[in-house]
Amino acid sequence: DGGITQSPKYLFRKEGQNVTLSCEQNLNHDAMYWYRQDPGQGLRLIYYSQIVNDFQKGDIAEGYSVSREKKESFPLTVTSAQKNPTAFYLCASTLELAGGPNNEQFFGPGTRLTVL
Amino acid sequence: AQSVTQLGSHVSVSEGALVLLRCNYSSSVPPYLFWYVQYPNQGLQLLLKYTSAATLVKGINGFEAEFKKSETSFHLTKPSAHMSDAAEYFCAVRAPKGSARQLTFGSGTQLTVLP
Repeated sequence: DGGITQSPKYLFRKEGQNVTLSCEQNLNHDAMYWYRQDPGQGLRLIYYSQIVNDFQKGDIAEGYSVSREKKESFPLTVTSAQKNPTAFYLCASTLELAGGPNNEQFFGPGTRLTVL
Repeated sequence: AQSVTQLGSHVSVSEGALVLLRCNYSSSVPPYLFWYVQYPNQGLQLLLKYTSAATLVKGINGFEAEFKKSETSFHLTKPSAHMSDAAEYFCAVRAPKGSARQLTFGSGTQLTVLP
């Protein structure tokens, strides 16, 4: 079955540590996205990538970094510079970055990060 | 720029009752509109979408939504609630010619279904 996988499902981190969240898709989609979800705030875009070796900051990129070395993979690193990293992180993908009526986003199951 | 407002962060209905979740949008151009559902600790799943075709859109799990330009609304309805409908629902908006990264989400409505 085609889809998006995220691992781990739950992640605990001590303050001051970097941590990397995994996102893999087998949908053959070009574009991938990382969102942060906080209670009562909807989803906010962290980073997105249109193609391998290219990525752009979203609305709340400070304290985060990404890489896109393979089409299937788009890992997110939450650095120690992120002041409030405890949140639910969602990875998504679309066939392409361009608009269009059938280019909706598909989401992974998410990773819940808790900073102790 | 586009935005959506979901009225009511929490909605409770009895099993078998009508479900009505409200979404109003703001957009300088006729937008594309989406409803997503999220079950606890899971990702978002697309329920339905409006992309400038029929104004009454039918989706999965018996949900439907009607695009009303005059009211700038895209409310989500289901005639009879089921216990399995309990989840959080997000309305989202995007400009038709905007890139897929420009999807803007509302703050969500938590639906509780009472037995």
